[in-house]
Amino acid sequence: GAVVSQHPSWVICKSGTSVKIECRSLDFQATTMFWYRQFPKQSLMLMATSNEGSKATYEQGVEKDKFLINHASLTLSTLTVTSAHPEDSSFYICSARDLYGDGSQDTQYFGPGTRLTVL
Amino acid sequence: SQKIEQNSEALNIQEGKTATLTCNYTNYSPAYLQWYRQDPGRGPVFLLLIRENEKEKRKERLKVTFDTTLKQSLFHITASQPADSATYLCALGDNDMRFGAGTRLTVKP
Repeated sequence: GAVVSQHPSWVICKSGTSVKIECRSLDFQATTMFWYRQFPKQSLMLMATSNEGSKATYEQGVEKDKFLINHASLTLSTLTVTSAHPEDSSFYICSARDLYGDGSQDTQYFGPGTRLTVL
Repeated sequence: SQKIEQNSEALNIQEGKTATLTCNYTNYSPAYLQWYRQDPGRGPVFLLLIRENEKEKRKERLKVTFDTTLKQSLFHITASQPADSATYLCALGDNDMRFGAGTRLTVKP
């Protein structure tokens, strides 16, 4: 089945530093990947849609200069949290749409998530 | 504004019973609706997708209904087991998926 990985699974950093999170589709090509953020006991909030070879589309209220997204290949998208602050501490989850897999073409497959803690 | 509401934050049931979770939405006309399972500290796992022209869909012990008139989906787990304990999320959307807050299901042995 379609597998999406994320690295790292957790990271602790100091305030003001930048953190990069990788999202990979392991056994399929994903022209579109999505980045979500989830605070404790809350739902997933879509941050941005990442399209291979083009600029990401950010949701309203998400700072594109703070959350840099690069989708350089059909299997890799990265999210960089720049100048991280404690309020950026959250669970970051990516997903990818497998357009050519079996089952529904509209299904998104999620990575395991990255827990970011900013001290 | 668009809203997705899942009936309760938490649902506790006894093993063997049927769990029924509700997802209501407003100001949406989704082409399809999906249900996901999320365990603590993990990403969501896809369970079922139902399209607007489908009334019901089943997968093993899972059943989903979709009523576009009521703007509601029901998610049933029959013969529930403790291993079914998790948070269940409904999601709507075409290009951009929006999630409900989830219902945390606990199945007690």
